[in-house]
Amino acid sequence: ETGVTQTPRHLVMGMTNKKSLKCEQHLGHNAMYWYKQSAKKPLELMFVYNFKEQTENNSVPSRFSPECPNSSHLFLHLHTLQPEDSALYLCASSQSAQGETQYFGPGTRLLVL
Amino acid sequence: AQSVTQPDIHITVSEGASLELRCNYSYGATPYLFWYVQSPGQGLQLLLKYFSGDTLVQGIKGFEAEFKRSQSSFNLRKPSVHWSDAAEYFCAVGASNDYKLSFGAGTTVTVRA
Repeated sequence: ETGVTQTPRHLVMGMTNKKSLKCEQHLGHNAMYWYKQSAKKPLELMFVYNFKEQTENNSVPSRFSPECPNSSHLFLHLHTLQPEDSALYLCASSQSAQGETQYFGPGTRLLVL
Repeated sequence: AQSVTQPDIHITVSEGASLELRCNYSYGATPYLFWYVQSPGQGLQLLLKYFSGDTLVQGIKGFEAEFKRSQSSFNLRKPSVHWSDAAEYFCAVGASNDYKLSFGAGTTVTVRA
């Protein structure tokens, strides 16, 4: 595969569940990002990893826990979410975390019941 | 802090007609500017970007954008719209020394036959 892939593409979970979103980039990039896209709102940056080190946590609640084991993979662990967390979660990557073009995956559509 | 305004929430255009989407940004230095397109259920695809040089930028799918520093604008244009151009379009601004992209709220384009 090429580009940025995300799994699963759709996820329905209850508020007491624990699930994980996975992102993989095949572009040889060193920076990876998680964004939240809610209806009628601009994209919200959640987390940034540069060379596997977290460089940004944009005041995200602790029920979202990112993990970056290497420069190609990024996870978002979810637990005890709220219905307002239902959104499209987008992963992106760039060559580095400074002034580079970000390339996006297709997203995971999350519904919290 | 940088910010982006897309004044038009929704635009309807006839197939074959021209299209122009407006984007105004606020940033103190020379910005990096991007246009992305998002089809329903998909992630964001890069249409074009401006970093420096020629202020008229050509992108994919027949799109172009012009950077006008005096007007703090980066409007997207296409001479003849195809039905497949129906999507949501996002303008974003970044900087050479930062990873953060600020996105506009998006403009939804509907193409009528």
